[in-house]
Amino acid sequence: GQNIDQPTEMTATEGAIVQINCTYQTSGFNGLFWYQQHAGEAPTFLSYNVLDGLEEKGRFSSFLSRSKGYSYLLLKELQMKDSASYLCAVFSGNTPLVFGKGTRLSVIA
Amino acid sequence: DAGVIQSPRHEVTEMGQEVTLRCKPISGHDYLFWYRQTMMRGLELLIYFNNNVPIDDSGMPEDRFSAKMPNASFSTLKIQPSEPRDSAVYFCASSRLFGETQYFGPGTRLLVL
Repeated sequence: GQNIDQPTEMTATEGAIVQINCTYQTSGFNGLFWYQQHAGEAPTFLSYNVLDGLEEKGRFSSFLSRSKGYSYLLLKELQMKDSASYLCAVFSGNTPLVFGKGTRLSVIA
Repeated sequence: DAGVIQSPRHEVTEMGQEVTLRCKPISGHDYLFWYRQTMMRGLELLIYFNNNVPIDDSGMPEDRFSAKMPNASFSTLKIQPSEPRDSAVYFCASSRLFGETQYFGPGTRLLVL
């Protein structure tokens, strides 16, 4: 089976940087996704990592270390609208995406 | 493209009633996924289809749940009879290929009284 761990909640200040970690145990790893989900809305795609290293996309970056079973999502210049849940999801072998329970981020003034 | 479309957006029903949730995937996407999301369990995969064929329904909680995909543009998830513990948000998602980005519909918020 697969196990995906993320912190349940985080709080950060507007304008700051926050790092949301995700660790996973799986066999036949293929890739890792990050999704953003605002309260009452659907998850939306943020990033996809297949190879080790950092993928940057504007204010958001995602890092992957396959040997350590570890990823993080880095959010810079936080804005109030970044308050949301962030879901880590792993794709491995022939099984479809398995989602973590998500990290609820609160951005405060 | 309009994205994944789900209906109804909200459903309130009484225990024992039949509930039917509907989904229209993005055109050209070969994979369709049904998920259930609750605070306690997070986002759980119930079943997924490839080219209208059910591939894995191991996530379907029990026989009260069934899903069909009669054609490439329509799928249903049915709960009969419904129970209060079925109250959750049900999402449909689609992807072009297996392992590619999944695009989610707005969800159906189901409350069973």
